[in-house]
Amino acid sequence: DQQVKQNSPSLSVQEGRISILNCDYTNSMFDYFLWYKKYPAEGPTFLISISSIKDKNEDGRFTVFLNKSAKHLSLHIVPSQPGDSAVYFCAASTGNQFYFGTGTSLTVIP
Amino acid sequence: DGGITQSPKYLFRKEGQNVTLSCEQNLNHDAMYWYRQDPGQGLRLIYYSQIVNDFQKGDIAEGYSVSREKKESFPLTVTSAQKNPTAFYLCASRGQALEKLFFGSGTQLSVL
Repeated sequence: DQQVKQNSPSLSVQEGRISILNCDYTNSMFDYFLWYKKYPAEGPTFLISISSIKDKNEDGRFTVFLNKSAKHLSLHIVPSQPGDSAVYFCAASTGNQFYFGTGTSLTVIP
Repeated sequence: DGGITQSPKYLFRKEGQNVTLSCEQNLNHDAMYWYRQDPGQGLRLIYYSQIVNDFQKGDIAEGYSVSREKKESFPLTVTSAQKNPTAFYLCASRGQALEKLFFGSGTQLSVL
């Protein structure tokens, strides 16, 4: 049973516009949420994270929003750049275990 | 340079053969993990280890085995019992006070 879901397999955005990637989870015990960026045939690289006690975390062009009541988080990238084109994985953790979504492939069109 | 090294990058397995994927880290992290990625799917946990000489099964441990004899090493063996081994395998580690995983560059395993 998938505890972390990314319902959009792909997303295309024009360069300079905002990219919004969404993620839903089912387990209310998750206490930490992360976003990873991945290129083909490479390992994921950490992008940004948020603790369950916060509702927003910002790092440069990247902002993560957490809505605990809706069990939903989103990643905003503003402005989007062609180099942002990659697969983005949402992850959630409780204790020692990390659960990943299926990923959203972002294409930023120049 | 600190990091996680996975080898080989590409590996081919013959029918009935066991193969071992290497994962080494010099980050002094206590915890290490093995994930499997299939096309269009997320990362699924195979095994993880919190300390030396101890490890736990993840969601898809059947057909796999691991060992953790040294803090820096966590090899994964794909046994002949794993009937669908073709996938991209990722090793990760986590420090005690850190909330995030650091990943290696992965090993692509294919069946001949």
